[in-house]
Amino acid sequence: AQSVSQHNHHVILSEAASLELGCNYSYGGTVNLFWYVQYPGQHLQLLLKYFSGDPLVKGIKGFEAEFIKSKFSFNLRKPSVQWSDTAEYFCAVSQNRDDKIIFGKGTRLHILP
Amino acid sequence: KAGVTQTPRYLIKTRGQQVTLSCSPISGHRSVSWYQQTPGQGLQFLFEYFSETQRNKGNFPGRFSGRQFSNSRSEMNVSTLELGDSALYLCASSLKLAGHYEQYFGPGTRLTVT
Repeated sequence: AQSVSQHNHHVILSEAASLELGCNYSYGGTVNLFWYVQYPGQHLQLLLKYFSGDPLVKGIKGFEAEFIKSKFSFNLRKPSVQWSDTAEYFCAVSQNRDDKIIFGKGTRLHILP
Repeated sequence: KAGVTQTPRYLIKTRGQQVTLSCSPISGHRSVSWYQQTPGQGLQFLFEYFSETQRNKGNFPGRFSGRQFSNSRSEMNVSTLELGDSALYLCASSLKLAGHYEQYFGPGTRLTVT
């Protein structure tokens, strides 16, 4: 069965630090990959997605993620975080042409001002 | 376009009762998925409906059920509530873009079982 692993459950950084959140998935076929963010008290919203093509994907608010097929990974990065990035981040994967999206357990990111 | 709406936003029930949650997708979206979100477990997939048919199902007991109406609105029902059913229940509607689905989430229904 498909599964998604997020390595860090809770990350604390200072403003301007660089961020990398790890995500690995178990499915070996063609996949679609997503990062979602949930700011305190807000809806879950899409940060970025990978369907095909360039494995380096740029999303909103300066986030990017790199798909490394050989490592089954889709890590999220941001060169310089801001206090407003404090949120919970979810990695998710779906099979091609299948609407079922499997989520990781999430990483709580806390940015110190 | 209006976003995904879920009603009610908050609900308190007692053990043994049943509950029905409602989701209205974005206009034109025909797929609706339901997730259970709990601290430490993240989002767990419940089921997905497309054109009134259940297309995918997660690993939840039969107490959890759902349906979709001809206008794409969806309901999920939980019978014989247990304390462990306390969670945020999220609904997401999907739009197919260039052969791939992209999900849009509602605000959720916070269910507390006492």
